[in-house]
Amino acid sequence: DMKVTQMPRYLIKRMGENVLLECGQDMSHETMYWYRQDPGLGLQLIYISYDVDSNSEGDIPKGYRVSRKKREHFSLILDSAKTNQTSVYFCASSPGQGSAETLYFGSGTRLTVL
Amino acid sequence: QQNVQQSPESLIVPEGARTSLNCTFSDSASQYFWWYRQHSGKAPKALMSIFSNGEKEEGRFTIHLNKASLHFSLHIRDSQPSDSALYLCAVSMPGYQNFYFGKGTSLTVIP
Repeated sequence: DMKVTQMPRYLIKRMGENVLLECGQDMSHETMYWYRQDPGLGLQLIYISYDVDSNSEGDIPKGYRVSRKKREHFSLILDSAKTNQTSVYFCASSPGQGSAETLYFGSGTRLTVL
Repeated sequence: QQNVQQSPESLIVPEGARTSLNCTFSDSASQYFWWYRQHSGKAPKALMSIFSNGEKEEGRFTIHLNKASLHFSLHIRDSQPSDSALYLCAVSMPGYQNFYFGKGTSLTVIP
């Protein structure tokens, strides 16, 4: 069953705490993405990973970093979380690296930073 | 920077109606176009894509693309309550990995 899995689904953290969001895919997709979705702003790209240890900044990378040590796993790290990082975070993957690829999304992690 | 706009922001239609959703983009180099559907609390899921000018039909759904007008649309025939969702349009350009999403149109189909 082709799937992108995100953990956890819901997370509440205090400002200044570190946050780890995890994403896995079982489709051997090359490319993985982290987006955040905010009301009135739509989906915004945080980071792209083209393969293991091959990561690039998206449109809003400030305050985030990523790690991809295995093709099937992509993590998003917030060092010292801020209240404006409260959002729904979506991980996605695509089979190749081209711009004609369809994205496969996980179910999201709703992060609240108090 | 690509600017993708969707209209309307929200839409309420009766079951069985024909529904039209619109998406405009700003960069004429845009080449690939998608509609994603996101049911409440769920993951966005690709619905349809189109890569050349014209029309493409899949079941009750039709996508139109007019690159010269920087516009594409999604038409839903015989709308069903299960079509109630947030519809996101997305655009990408060759050689550039990012996919630019609109803010979405919230569709509610009333039985």
